[in-house]
Amino acid sequence: DVKVTQSSRYLVKRTGEKVFLECVQDMDHENMFWYRQDPGLGLRLIYFSYDVKMKEKGDIPEGYSVSREKKERFSLILESASTNQTSMYLCASSPQPLGSVSSYNSPLHFGNGTRLTVT
Amino acid sequence: AQSVTQPDIHITVSEGASLELRCNYSYGATPYLFWYVQSPGQGLQLLLKYFSGDTLVQGIKGFEAEFKRSQSSFNLRKPSVHWSDAAEYFCAVGAGGGADGLTFGKGTHLIIQP
Repeated sequence: DVKVTQSSRYLVKRTGEKVFLECVQDMDHENMFWYRQDPGLGLRLIYFSYDVKMKEKGDIPEGYSVSREKKERFSLILESASTNQTSMYLCASSPQPLGSVSSYNSPLHFGNGTRLTVT
Repeated sequence: AQSVTQPDIHITVSEGASLELRCNYSYGATPYLFWYVQSPGQGLQLLLKYFSGDTLVQGIKGFEAEFKRSQSSFNLRKPSVHWSDAAEYFCAVGAGGGADGLTFGKGTHLIIQP
């Protein structure tokens, strides 16, 4: 079974702090994603990465950055945390499809989430 | 760009009754469709997916979904719900290409009455 592990389940930080959210997957997946989940808004894509040292902006990248130095690890960074970044953060990974099915989306495998509170 | 609409924010169903959760998508080409479930305090778990072929797909936990291109819908169904099915359900659409992630609906919160 694919395992996606987010290092913290709950995190409380102060406004202005630099915050690191860590995510590790153990299935050698090429693709990794960071979403945030808010009541009534569903999941929104922040950033994703399809290879080591590669990153792409999602729908709401403002206020965030990411780092992917190793294939198995994808970090989300809040350079200066603000109260509107209080949310549930979900990391996900997926394999890159091969050959004739290269056009389809692989299902995402999610971690259990990190609930971040910024005070 | 693709989008997903889940018209029902909350649905309440009696245990043992049938269930249908609605999902409508917007996408110009053949979509890749998914249903995920999120139990309280957990991440999302894949219930089922549709890529092509048979428009009725079977998933885990007794769920099924039917793709209807003419209605741009991918509704999730279960003939008899159990109290353990209480959770948040998300429909998602992918545009193909693998690495771009999925677009999720806002979710439907399922409440099971005894």
